[in-house]
Amino acid sequence: GAVVSQHPSRVICKSGTSVKIECRSLDFQATTMFWYRQFPKQSLMLMATSNEGSKATYEQGVEKDKFLINHASLTLSTLTVTSAHPEDSSFYICSARPLTGDPYEQYFGPGTRLTVT
Amino acid sequence: TQLLEQSPQFLSIQEGENLTVYCNSSSVFSSLQWYRQEPGEGPVLLVTVVTGGEVKKLKRLTFQFGDARKDSSLHITAAQTGDTGLYLCAGARGAGKSTFGDGTTLTVKP
Repeated sequence: GAVVSQHPSRVICKSGTSVKIECRSLDFQATTMFWYRQFPKQSLMLMATSNEGSKATYEQGVEKDKFLINHASLTLSTLTVTSAHPEDSSFYICSARPLTGDPYEQYFGPGTRLTVT
Repeated sequence: TQLLEQSPQFLSIQEGENLTVYCNSSSVFSSLQWYRQEPGEGPVLLVTVVTGGEVKKLKRLTFQFGDARKDSSLHITAAQTGDTGLYLCAGARGAGKSTFGDGTTLTVKP
């Protein structure tokens, strides 16, 4: 149980275009999903907390107009990187916190490797 | 800011050796999680500890939560090459966001 998927797993886009990444909890409902960014050999950097039916809460330094988050249902959150630039190239990972059960735990998706050329 | 410091940052050992990874903070956490991440994949939850002084075992892995719930350790006995990966600790205060440590990159050589 507690499986989270991400799509796509890898994406290459041209500078200036937008890319949407989906995060789905496959076998549980999640009111809260988190979006992280990770650079090679480094830890996870929280970008935003996404709550179903409400606006996302962004961490300091993260541009909300550039990283659009939509959490339309209890099993789906999307992250759209708008007007992508090469410096946005990174590994993006989402996680989901189950609606029921342990309130502290979160389950991670497999990540999306974004390369902006 | 709640900071979690992990040590060591990098660890390279031979198969069969034992190792301990530490996760320390000046803040008290409601719970602490340990994750293991392989390159190109998302972190996988290993354990959650919530009670001060708690010890949990997962095969060759032993996790301990400090009495004051500010620190934790992960001990691996007789490491195997399959244990290679990035180990992350994460502390939570209530049901809010978690604070992640900087990670420990473990390499187990055959």
